[in-house]
Amino acid sequence: DAGVIQSPRHEVTEMGQEVTLRCKPISGHDYLFWYRQTMMRGLELLIYFNNNVPIDDSGMPEDRFSAKMPNASFSTLKIQPSEPRDSAVYFCASRGKDGTDTQYFGPGTRLTVL
Amino acid sequence: GDSVTQMEGPVTLSEEACLTINCTYTATGYPSLFWYVQYPGEGLQLLLKATKADDKGSNKGFEATYRKETTSFHLEKGSVQVSDSAVYFCALRILSNTGNQFYFGTGTSLTVIP
Repeated sequence: DAGVIQSPRHEVTEMGQEVTLRCKPISGHDYLFWYRQTMMRGLELLIYFNNNVPIDDSGMPEDRFSAKMPNASFSTLKIQPSEPRDSAVYFCASRGKDGTDTQYFGPGTRLTVL
Repeated sequence: GDSVTQMEGPVTLSEEACLTINCTYTATGYPSLFWYVQYPGEGLQLLLKATKADDKGSNKGFEATYRKETTSFHLEKGSVQVSDSAVYFCALRILSNTGNQFYFGTGTSLTVIP
């Protein structure tokens, strides 16, 4: 398996623009997580899905952030409008039903908002 | 509420020195405990885990024992190598009435110098 795939790997945009981050989980996994990592705040869980349904979005910082999972093999995290303080590395992770509780992380998307 | 607290870094050690990174948790139920490692420029990878009290997780020379009496899961390695330089995250998973909840520590940066 290719592992969790994220795109783009790097994104540079200007304040006010819409940003869409994409994630393809490992095939067969039924949990998908979005995290944000910054030097100041460390690793933060933004939202997670189970069987494509958002279960807990309490970590989403504000209404500018939204996440969708239209099917089992694809999820998006959208920021609209983006702000400089959104600059961070965004990770997607997935977890399966193998009973190991292990989350498998993607390589991350480094977002820079100018 | 449920949470994970880990030792703040950064930690700098000489090669072959002993490593301990402290991690304590607060949980209302019976969590599973994890250590993840993040190498520069990469996503997080599972290093080891333990799912019940007194379990010891081990991998690549690292060990951690799930101690319920002290609510701890300290990461240890007897002799570190330069290649161990990374950021280490303690994490817990707990099953609540709303489903699985995941919590990560803030990460501890380790630099091993030759």
